[in-house]
Amino acid sequence: GESVGLHLPTLSVQEGDNSIINCAYSNSASDYFIWYKQESGKGPQFIIDIRSNMDKRQGQRVTVLLNKTVKHLSLQIAATQPGDSAVYFCAENRRNTDKLIFGTGTRLQVFP
Amino acid sequence: DVKVTQSSRYLVKRTGEKVFLECVQDMDHENMFWYRQDPGLGLRLIYFSYDVKMKEKGDIPEGYSVSREKKERFSLILESASTNQTSMYLCASSRDNQDTQYFGPGTRLTVL
Repeated sequence: GESVGLHLPTLSVQEGDNSIINCAYSNSASDYFIWYKQESGKGPQFIIDIRSNMDKRQGQRVTVLLNKTVKHLSLQIAATQPGDSAVYFCAENRRNTDKLIFGTGTRLQVFP
Repeated sequence: DVKVTQSSRYLVKRTGEKVFLECVQDMDHENMFWYRQDPGLGLRLIYFSYDVKMKEKGDIPEGYSVSREKKERFSLILESASTNQTSMYLCASSRDNQDTQYFGPGTRLTVL
């Protein structure tokens, strides 16, 4: 399949385990954050978002945590499944700008 | 659900050809974006548009132009394709600023 990024950090987990994917952002003026999932050969797919007035947000099997003190964002996937295998990357939107700044991504590999 | 479609999944062109990549969104979004994605470089913004007939340069506009004659359609134009424009091209749209961008499936362009 096509690779969306070479030499990406890789997280390997066993099916059924929980996964934690991390992202550091650099700009304290960023106030909106998004996690995307990208499967091989496809466009990025929205997973979950969080605004800076929140520390935690939950979706279906996913949780995003935001630590503004250390400028860190994490995505937790509960009971990881083979279909979760993909590249995951975070994006930040700086206040009063129109652009998203994307991270380079983490490859999640799920083993049976 | 938001739907962003791109005219081609795969495209092969020759150096010097004029190339049109089309993107259509069906959610009446104000903003539309064109990115390219290359291994090791992540997503890079080429051009974006706030509204019909409006366009703004992104981070790497050289060698590209865009057209937005209708709200739902945003076209990326390579006036004279070159081999270094071989890449995955992704279109996205968002309702407004500070909102999630939704991506199309991508067009894998190869310039020979």
